Amino acid sequence: TQLLEQSPQFLSIQEGENLTVYCNSSSVFSSLQWYRQEPGEGPVLLVTVVTGGEVKKLKRLTFQFGDARKDSSLHITAAQPGDTGLYLCAGGIGEYGNKLVFGAGTILRVKS
Amino acid sequence: NAGVTQTPKFRILKIGQSMTLQCTQDMNHNYMYWYRQDPGMGLKLIYYSVGAGITDKGEVPNGYNVSRSTTEDFPLRLELAAPSQTSVYFCASSYARGTGTETYEQYFGPGTRLTVT
Repeated sequence: TQLLEQSPQFLSIQEGENLTVYCNSSSVFSSLQWYRQEPGEGPVLLVTVVTGGEVKKLKRLTFQFGDARKDSSLHITAAQPGDTGLYLCAGGIGEYGNKLVFGAGTILRVKS
Repeated sequence: NAGVTQTPKFRILKIGQSMTLQCTQDMNHNYMYWYRQDPGMGLKLIYYSVGAGITDKGEVPNGYNVSRSTTEDFPLRLELAAPSQTSVYFCASSYARGTGTETYEQYFGPGTRLTVT
């Protein structure tokens, strides 16, 4: 069974602070996706990384895929209350990478 | 486009009852998936389909059945509901051209919250 361990489980910070969420595994993934989910809604894709060492930026969010494609991180700079939500990482598995295994998620609360 | 739609939004079942969760997508995606999400557990894959007429088991298929007669629809059937099936169920879809370099980004529906008592 391929597992993705996500940490921390819960994060409560003040507006303007920086934070990093980690996603680790002993397995290699064909791709690593990050989703954000708000209460009562389905997850929404933020970014996909596919190459070891790849870094992608989405405004104040920076995503990195580990060199060995086993881990990933999400860094948020100057967090805002609108960043509040559940962040999920998901690794591509299967013969064609057409299935995803999800981490348990990080609940982020940004207080104003 | 409506994207991925799911019905119903909420449902309460008694133990032993059966029901079908509906999922429809209007994006002409070939891949479709069913997940369940339990608190603190992330999403677990129940079944998936790579196209009409083709389905396969995911990580937690026991107690569920699926069919895919059209590209658009992917219903999930619960037979003999049990309290362990209390969860939020999400349907998702993705598109792959079959080039071997796909990343299968998934688009999710709003979910169905099911309680079995």
